[in-house]
Amino acid sequence: EVQLVESGGGLVQPGGSLRLSCAASGFTFSSYWMSWVRQAPGKGLEWVANIKQDGSEKYYVDSVKGRFTISRDNAKNSLYLQMNSLRAEDTAVYYCARERDGYKDYWGQGTLVTVSS
Amino acid sequence: QSALTQPRSVSGSPGQSVTISCTGTSSDVGGYNYVSWYQQHPGKAPKLMIYDVSKRPSGVPDRFSGSKSGNTASLTISGLQAEDEADYYCCSYAGSYTPYVFGTGTKVTVL
Repeated sequence: EVQLVESGGGLVQPGGSLRLSCAASGFTFSSYWMSWVRQAPGKGLEWVANIKQDGSEKYYVDSVKGRFTISRDNAKNSLYLQMNSLRAEDTAVYYCARERDGYKDYWGQGTLVTVSS
Repeated sequence: QSALTQPRSVSGSPGQSVTISCTGTSSDVGGYNYVSWYQQHPGKAPKLMIYDVSKRPSGVPDRFSGSKSGNTASLTISGLQAEDEADYYCCSYAGSYTPYVFGTGTKVTVL
């Protein structure tokens, strides 16, 4: 059974940093692109970033470029999102998702990040 | 990259059909056959309902169907059931610079 479990969310002050993790199981993690998708409270879904199987390609939505870094450790079956210079508008539930060609077939339960003083 | 445009809400009685539109541009919806649809119940993670415009993952009822014409994709729910009440989001591949864009989301209400 495919499982994705996010962790690392919490309350952080504006300008602060946070590192999210996503533990994957039930599939060959190293064979798939992976994504982070976020959802601000009461708002819609927003794709944030994705990373190729071997980490050689990474893409970001414009609003997080230069502040967020996606990475993975295939030996640990884990996906990460390092978030720096956090802003109030980054407040959201962050989901990790497994990618297939052009879609996301499995999602984690999400972890809440709150940026507030 | 702007969000794809969806109606804020649609509604229907049990057994009826509803259709949700998802309008983009030739750089996303119109340019690729990589449109997917996700169902999200309150407080839950999104669930894949349709991929590659019109394909259904195993386990998704055949009441759900997808299509595309030009820059607009559509999700149709036939034989509406109470458990279909949820938010629905479309998503399209949009090229290598910013690979994915989601729709604004549609709340489906079963009357």
